[in-house]
Formats: sequence, structure tokens, C-alpha cells
Amino acid sequence: AQSVAQPEDQVNVAEGNPLTVKCTYSVSGNPYLFWYVQYPNRGLQFLLKYITGDNLVKGSYGFEAEFNKSQTSFHLKKPSALVSDSALYFCAVRDDNNFNKFYFGSGTKLNVKP
Amino acid sequence: EAGVAQSPRYKIIEKRQSVAFWCNPISGHATLYWYQQILGQGPKLLIQFQNNGVVDDSQLPKDRFSAERLKGVDSTLKIQPAKLEDSAVYLCASSFLTGGWDNEQFFGPGTRLTVL
Repeated sequence: AQSVAQPEDQVNVAEGNPLTVKCTYSVSGNPYLFWYVQYPNRGLQFLLKYITGDNLVKGSYGFEAEFNKSQTSFHLKKPSALVSDSALYFCAVRDDNNFNKFYFGSGTKLNVKP
Repeated sequence: EAGVAQSPRYKIIEKRQSVAFWCNPISGHATLYWYQQILGQGPKLLIQFQNNGVVDDSQLPKDRFSAERLKGVDSTLKIQPAKLEDSAVYLCASSFLTGGWDNEQFFGPGTRLTVL
């Protein structure tokens, strides 16, 4: 079965510093990986995805993610964090052998302090 | 382009009562999803529709939950009777296709259900 793991419940970073939110995955076929962000009382918003191609994927709001097949990881990164980046981040994997069903991680709360 | 619409945004009911949620997906999106998000957890898929047909309802508690998408556009999710553990945010999402590489999901704002 497909699954993703987000090992950190919370990540704290100072504004202006680089941030990393970790995600590891387990898939039986090709990995199709996604990052979503959730602000309070809002639905999830798509940030970026890896389907194929370059291992470094660029997405919305200056975020990027690095796909590492050998480590089965898809960590979310940003060179310089903003206070407004504080939110809940979810990693997800899509199962193309099961009607493109999405499996979400448990989420990581990012706190960016001024 | 208009996003995924959901109503109501908030609902408080007592256990054993019934409740219904409504979702209108993005125009032209064939696939519609209902997720349950319990506080502190990631979204869990309850049911997935392709047009008006059910693709996956393996995690839908069918003894109390039901969903329909009669005309292949908007959808309703019903809980009858509600239990305390149903307290969660119910998210609706839609995507253009079920298959294909360019297939991210677009989420509505969710309905926060509190069962007392």
C-alpha cells in the first residue's frame, strides 16, 4: 500500500532562515508526490508536485521540494522563511493503480517566528 | 475561476442527530472527493466519485454515512445518526480527471462538524 510519513509534528524556524519540512514515502510503483498547505479554517491548497523529470521541483510562494529516490524522500524547502508561511503542511502520494487515490501524511505545523 | 464551494462552514449537532453537507466542485471537474480530517491528522478519503459513479468508498462507514452525486455535478454527504467521534472537518475536493499526470486536487474550505 502507498503511504507517506511526516516525522515532525512541528517545525520552528526564524523569519529569514531556510526551512525544511520532511516527508518520506512508500510506494509500489512510480511515485507521484504532492505538497499541500492548510491555513486556519481553510481547505488545502496545492503547492507543488513531482511526477517525473528534475528532482528539484519548484512550486508556489517560493517553495521547492527535492525528490530523492534512494532515500524515498520528498522534503519541502524554502530558502528564506516568512511569518506568513506559518501553516499546516501535508505531503501526499497518489496511487495510480487505485483510481488515483491520494494518501496524506499526518501534517507538520510550521511556525515562523519574527 | 470559482473554487470548490461547501456549505455549511460550521455545524453543531447532538449525537444521534442527522446532518448533511453540500459540495459544488469546480466546473468541468469530473472527479469529486469527500475527506474527513480529524484534528491533528491528515485528510482521510471517505468516498470518490467519477461523474455520478462511485469509484472508491472503502473507508466510508456505510452504516451511518451516505453520499450521492446524482447529476455528476454537486454532491451531498450525510451522517445519520451522528456519533461523537464524527467531530471533524469534512473536506470536499475535485479534480479534472481521475487519471493523467496533471491531476492535482482542488479543495473547498471544509465544514467543521462538532457533535455534542
